[in-house]
Amino acid sequence: DTEVTQTPKHLVMGMTNKKSLKCEQHMGHRAMYWYKQKAKKPPELMFVYSYEKLSINESVPSRFSPECPNSSLLNLHLHALQPEDSALYLCASSLGTSGVYNEQFFGPGTRLTVL
Amino acid sequence: AQSVTQLGSHVSVSEGALVLLRCNYSSSVPPYLFWYVQYPNQGLQLLLKYTSAATLVKGINGFEAEFKKSETSFHLTKPSAHMSDAAEYFCAVSKDYKLSFGAGTTVTVRA
Repeated sequence: DTEVTQTPKHLVMGMTNKKSLKCEQHMGHRAMYWYKQKAKKPPELMFVYSYEKLSINESVPSRFSPECPNSSLLNLHLHALQPEDSALYLCASSLGTSGVYNEQFFGPGTRLTVL
Repeated sequence: AQSVTQLGSHVSVSEGALVLLRCNYSSSVPPYLFWYVQYPNQGLQLLLKYTSAATLVKGINGFEAEFKKSETSFHLTKPSAHMSDAAEYFCAVSKDYKLSFGAGTTVTVRA
């Protein structure tokens, strides 16, 4: 299995809602990532988990809360988002976090719209 | 610091023509470089990667890239463009715990 899956594909939420994005991989990868991508822009790194521990938080607002329940799953909990948070949210995984081991496999993304 | 620069935000080619996408890197050590493609409303897919094993790297869908240390370049080419090559292409370098992406190049293919 060389696939990263993400659910849901689309999500529309109000600014007072609480929702979660889910990501799963079964490639035995030990690093998992959340990215935010605006149209016609490269992905922006949000969080990095390495061996199920948060290793990088790129100064992301606290209304985004990541969680790594086990080595195959990664969640992103959303609360009190703003309209400018509307974007494509991508999950990725890799064997490791340095050099060639940083070859990242991406999921299809969740298209988030905040009203 | 390791980073990449993609020259040209948009490339338009005729079907059957050569596709050339430019990527230059800045790195004080041998870099690990990647090319990714993103089709509309999809995630990123790895086209190919440079890991210092060979300077000419062949990837999927007929793409290849040549690592030139003297020019600090890792340009992506495809001899004959197909309509299905219309997409966004990103060059990236492995940097610390991250991938550092270029700004991206949009490829359109004219029939």
